[in-house]
Amino acid sequence: NAGVMQNPRHLVRRRGQEARLRCSPMKGHSHVYWYRQLPEEGLKFMVYLQKENIIDESGMPKERFSAEFPKEGPSILRIQQVVRGDSAAYFCASSTTSGSTDTQYFGPGTRLTVL
Amino acid sequence: QQQVKQSPQSLIVQKGGISIINCAYENTAFDYFPWYQQFPGKGPALLIAIRPDVSEKKEGRFTISFNKSAKQFSLHIMDSQPGDSATYFCAASIGGSNYKLTFGKGTLLTVNP
Repeated sequence: NAGVMQNPRHLVRRRGQEARLRCSPMKGHSHVYWYRQLPEEGLKFMVYLQKENIIDESGMPKERFSAEFPKEGPSILRIQQVVRGDSAAYFCASSTTSGSTDTQYFGPGTRLTVL
Repeated sequence: QQQVKQSPQSLIVQKGGISIINCAYENTAFDYFPWYQQFPGKGPALLIAIRPDVSEKKEGRFTISFNKSAKQFSLHIMDSQPGDSATYFCAASIGGSNYKLTFGKGTLLTVNP
């Protein structure tokens, strides 16, 4: 059973370009979470999605960031018009349910570098 | 405002020694305190977690000690091994949420052989 997969693992973008990060949850998992880890910082929750629904986006910046988890295919975190401050590691996690006892499994992350 | 303060930033321990990482929180509504282990190039993995109704939880060589009145909790790694070398994050959440976690900044643990 493959773990959570993220691609690309490394992404370089110039200021003003768009970044698209993909996350394929573990088989059987229908809940996806995105986190951002800035250099020298802990992870920060961004958004929680189920298939075709955004459940909680309280951690998402108000502008330029969006996320989706379509019925088919991976979850996508999209960052428009990237700025240097977006440089970070972006982690996706998945779980079978969102109960308090359910473990999240993290992917290896996408390291975004904005030049 | 950082709600979970973690120390030390880095820690070097000899093989067989005890590694201790501390966290302090401010929000008394927190009621779920997990620790995550992250190896280079990998995502974090849940290591052990505690709720405030107990003062200690042990799983193998890993123990969480929890002091509700002091708003502090710590991770103890007994008989530390080189394979334990990783970054450790403490975290906290409200309502037992397993995803809306507030993380500490992490501790880089190095266990020398």
